[in-house]
Amino acid sequence: GAVVSQHPSWVICKSGTSVKIECRSLDFQATTMFWYRQFPKQSLMLMATSNEGSKATYEQGVEKDKFLINHASLTLSTLTVTSAHPEDSSFYICSAGTSGMYEQYFGPGTRLTVT
Amino acid sequence: RKEVEQDPGPFNVPEGATVAFNCTYSNSASQSFFWYRQDCRKEPKLLMSVYSSGNEDGRFTAQLNRASQYISLLIRDSKLSDSATYLCVLRNQAGTALIFGKGTTLSVSS
Repeated sequence: GAVVSQHPSWVICKSGTSVKIECRSLDFQATTMFWYRQFPKQSLMLMATSNEGSKATYEQGVEKDKFLINHASLTLSTLTVTSAHPEDSSFYICSAGTSGMYEQYFGPGTRLTVT
Repeated sequence: RKEVEQDPGPFNVPEGATVAFNCTYSNSASQSFFWYRQDCRKEPKLLMSVYSSGNEDGRFTAQLNRASQYISLLIRDSKLSDSATYLCVLRNQAGTALIFGKGTTLSVSS
C-alpha cells in the first residue's frame, strides 16, 4: 500500500518558538494532503486541506497565520506551527491522496509538546 | 448536532465475546463510510469500508442504514489484539477530507 511519512515523530519545544512538521508521500504523488489535529480522548479534527501548488484551505477556527501550510511538490507538504503555545500541544497527523481518490493514506503522526 | 456520534465506551469484554459498536451521522448526503482502528498514540488505520448491502471481513461485519443514518460494526470472537479505539468515519464527497467520530474504546481481556 501507499506509504506516507511524517517528520519528526515527536518534538518538544519552548513556548514562542516555531516548529515545522513534514509530511511526505513516499511512493505516490499526492495531489491533496490533509492536516488533522487530535487532542487526548478527542476525535481527529481537520485543520486544513492542501492542494499542490495552491494555497491551503483552512477549517473554521484554525488560524492560517499561525499554522502555515506549504504544499510545494506532489510528495511534500509542511505544517509550521508559529509562536507555539502550550495549548498547541497535540498529535498532528497528515493524510495524502490522489485526485479523485477513494482512500487516504495517513502518516504516523507527530506529537508536539510545547513547554 | 455533531456530524458523527459514537458511544465512547469503554467496552470491556472477555476474549471470545461478540461486541457491537454503533454510530450515527447527521449529513444525509454523506457518500462514503468507513471504520478505522486507532491504537494508542498511533495514526488511524483503515479497518474496512462500509457498504449499504453490508459487508464482512473475517470476524468483522459492517452495516450501513442510510434511511436511519446509522452505521454499525460487529466483532465476533474477540481477540486480545482487538483492543483499540474504533473510529466511525465518513466522507461527504470524493476527494474531500474524512470526518471522524470520537471513537469507541474496546478492551479485550483474557
